[in-house]
This record gives sequence, structure tokens and C-alpha cells, in this order.
Amino acid sequence: DAGVIQSPRHEVTEMGQEVTLRCKPISGHNSLFWYRQTMMRGLELLIYFNNNVPIDDSGMPEDRFSAKMPNASFSTLKIQPSEPRDSAVYFCASTPTGGSYEQYFGPGTRLTVT
Amino acid sequence: KNQVEQSPQSLIILEGKNCTLQCNYTVSPFSNLRWYKQDTGRGPVSLTIMTFSENTKSNGRYTATLDADTKQSSLHITASQLSDSASYICVVRGANQAGTALIFGKGTTLSVSS
Repeated sequence: DAGVIQSPRHEVTEMGQEVTLRCKPISGHNSLFWYRQTMMRGLELLIYFNNNVPIDDSGMPEDRFSAKMPNASFSTLKIQPSEPRDSAVYFCASTPTGGSYEQYFGPGTRLTVT
Repeated sequence: KNQVEQSPQSLIILEGKNCTLQCNYTVSPFSNLRWYKQDTGRGPVSLTIMTFSENTKSNGRYTATLDADTKQSSLHITASQLSDSASYICVVRGANQAGTALIFGKGTTLSVSS
């Protein structure tokens, strides 16, 4: 199994631009999580999907952030417009059930907004 | 407020030595506690998961302990190797089923030197 796949691995963009991060979960996993990691705040859960349905998006920082999961094998996290304070590493993780089992993390996308 | 505190923030040890990392939490009600290892530039990888009824769990040279009464956990690394250099993250899950019940510590950065 290839594990959780994220793209791009690195993204550098200018303030105000739209950024789209992509994630392909492990086949057969029905829960997907988006996280953000910074030195100051550590890992933070942004949003959680179960069977493609958003269950809890209370961690999404503001309306500039949106996430979708159109099918079981693909999810996107979009930031529009991006700001320098959005610079972080964004991780996607999947798990066979809704949080009870071990989470498998992708390699992350390092986002830099200048 | 649900919190997870890890100590020390960073640690430097010589190859071959043992070390113990601490995790104190205030999450209640409690479901399980996980330790993750995160190598630089990569996503976290699960080391152990312990439920309320488990006091200790081992994974090779890694041994985690849990005292649910005092709300403390430790991760002991035996005979450290250079490859153990990483960040170790403690994650506590509350007993409700929502994804946001996952509370993350900020991690302990371990450096093993030769």
C-alpha cells in the first residue's frame, strides 16, 4: 500500500493567492483528517470526515479555509485568500473508523505564504 | 480545559543511553492515549495506543506506561540509537466520539548523539 498521499509536498505562494492542498487516503479507510502543524502551536485538527461527510469543522480557523471530500479516495483543503500566518505544514491522515483506530499520516505539504 | 503537557521540551542523550519522556493530561473523560514518533520532514507514525485499562505497552525498544488515576504517561526508550532522534508527540482522545476529542501535546524533541 502506498500510504496516504499528499500533493504538492511544497507550496510557495504570495499573499492573497488561492492554495489547494490534495490528499488521497489509504484505500478502505473511511475517515479522513486534516491537520496543521506549526512550531508555536504544534499539531491542530482542522476538520474530520467520516464516509466523505464532514463531521466536525470546528478547528477550521476561519472562512478562508474550506475542505471537501467528493469521494472516498480524494479530499482537498483550500485557502482563499492565503495569508502569511497560514504558513505551516498541513497533514492529512486516514483511519479505518472514526478515530478509534490508529491514524496513518501522509508526508505533509509545507506551505509558505510570502 | 482539556490539555496535554509534555516534558521535557527537548532532550539530548548519548547513543546507547536510556531516556524517559513525560506526558501529563487533563482530558476527561478519557478514551485512549497515543504516542507518535515524527521524524524531521515526515508525518507522525504511531508507536503505541493505550486504553484506560492498560498500564503498559511495548513496541520494541519503546515502552509506554499509563497511570489513568494521576493522568500521567511516560515513554521509555531503551538503548537509544541515532535513528531515535525525532519529535515524540503524546495524543489523548476523550471518550466522546468526535474527532475533535483528540488533544495533542506539543512534543518532545529528542536528539541522540554518537
